[in-house]
Amino acid sequence: DGGITQSPKYLFRKEGQNVTLSCEQNLNHDAMYWYRQDPGQGLRLIYYSQIVNDFQKGDIAEGYSVSREKKESFPLTVTSAQKNPTAFYLCASSMPGGDEKLFFGSGTQLSVL
Amino acid sequence: AQSVSQHNHHVILSEAASLELGCNYSYGGTVNLFWYVQYPGQHLQLLLKYFSGDPLVKGIKGFEAEFIKSKFSFNLRKPSVQWSDTAEYFCAVNPQTGANNLFFGTGTRLTVIP
Repeated sequence: DGGITQSPKYLFRKEGQNVTLSCEQNLNHDAMYWYRQDPGQGLRLIYYSQIVNDFQKGDIAEGYSVSREKKESFPLTVTSAQKNPTAFYLCASSMPGGDEKLFFGSGTQLSVL
Repeated sequence: AQSVSQHNHHVILSEAASLELGCNYSYGGTVNLFWYVQYPGQHLQLLLKYFSGDPLVKGIKGFEAEFIKSKFSFNLRKPSVQWSDTAEYFCAVNPQTGANNLFFGTGTRLTVIP
């Protein structure tokens, strides 16, 4: 089945620790995105990538880092600089120039111990 | 600041009632508009979208939305809701600035009582 796979489903972070959230897609989409979902705040864009080896900061990039070494993969690292990391993280992909429809993964819930 | 506003945070309706969820945005220029839905325990999925043409767009499951440019609005409607419509609904805007970014509203939780 084609789609977006996020792992793990639940992740716990200790103070001062970096953690990496995985996002893999087999839809052959060029563009991939990371969103953060907080209660009452909707979805906010963290980083996006329109093509391999290129990515751009979104609205709330501070404390996060990404890489895009392969078309299929867009991992997100939540660094120790992110002081409020507890949130639900959603990865998405789309084909630029197409109908701009976003396909979403099932999300990762990150909590701080 | 530019934004997408959904003023209704939680809407509770009885089955067969009519639904209208508000969405307003503050981006100037040409925009593409979307409504996404997240059913309990499921992924976000596209409900409908507007790019150009007829400002009244129809989506899946009997939903429709009307783009009113003068009001910067893209309200979602359904004449008669069902219990299965219980979900969270997100309005999203893609300002045509060159980057393919979607900006989301805060979401509206709809609860339909059987």
